[in-house]
Amino acid sequence: DIQMTQSPSSLSASVGDRVTITCRASQGISGWLAWYQQKPEEAPKSLIYAASTLESGVPSRFSGSGSGTDFTLTISSLQPEDFATYYCQQYSSYPATFGGGTKVQI
Amino acid sequence: QLQLQESGPGLVKPSETLSLTCTVSGGSISSNSYYWGWIRQPPGKGLEWIGTIYFNGNTFYNPSLESRVTISRDTSKNQFFLRLASVTAADTAVYYCARRYYGVGFQIWGQGTMVTVSS
Repeated sequence: DIQMTQSPSSLSASVGDRVTITCRASQGISGWLAWYQQKPEEAPKSLIYAASTLESGVPSRFSGSGSGTDFTLTISSLQPEDFATYYCQQYSSYPATFGGGTKVQI
Repeated sequence: QLQLQESGPGLVKPSETLSLTCTVSGGSISSNSYYWGWIRQPPGKGLEWIGTIYFNGNTFYNPSLESRVTISRDTSKNQFFLRLASVTAADTAVYYCARRYYGVGFQIWGQGTMVTVSS
């Protein structure tokens, strides 16, 4: 199985901050990576697929980058509605695997 | 607009079989290129992929659950199903169904359904 390691597991930030979350795969996954946002008591919401392609309707302050084993999710200017937990997921090969999550809090 | 809705018992006894249904509206589960998956999330923990059924009926399972999992579908009802046998308390989780396709992650999710394993 491909292990996905996210860091940090949690972070504290303020509105307007630039936030960066990293995700590392235990082996190369090319660009087959997605990022999700999950708020309490809600289903995950897809933000980015193919490492850097923004889903329709997702604000442009979100961006993704990386290829191979190292990936980054960046929020350029944190907004109040962005406080949530973020997960990466590889879909290069089965079993699909998720990172452990990064909780972004005030 | 595509919508997915999970349904099934909220309480299952240990050693019994968990059975859930995902009802899809606004699109066909037989549509070419789409994959339909089950993902779960234990309380306070992260996400775990359970398995996926393709538009052509092919299935793929998480090896950690493969001996206990069956995913099937009923195209006439536009539903797909999860069966997880011999459940224990460790299977207590919110269960989600979701859709993805080649090159893309799980784009559309159901709201999730909480299943508790307890006697």
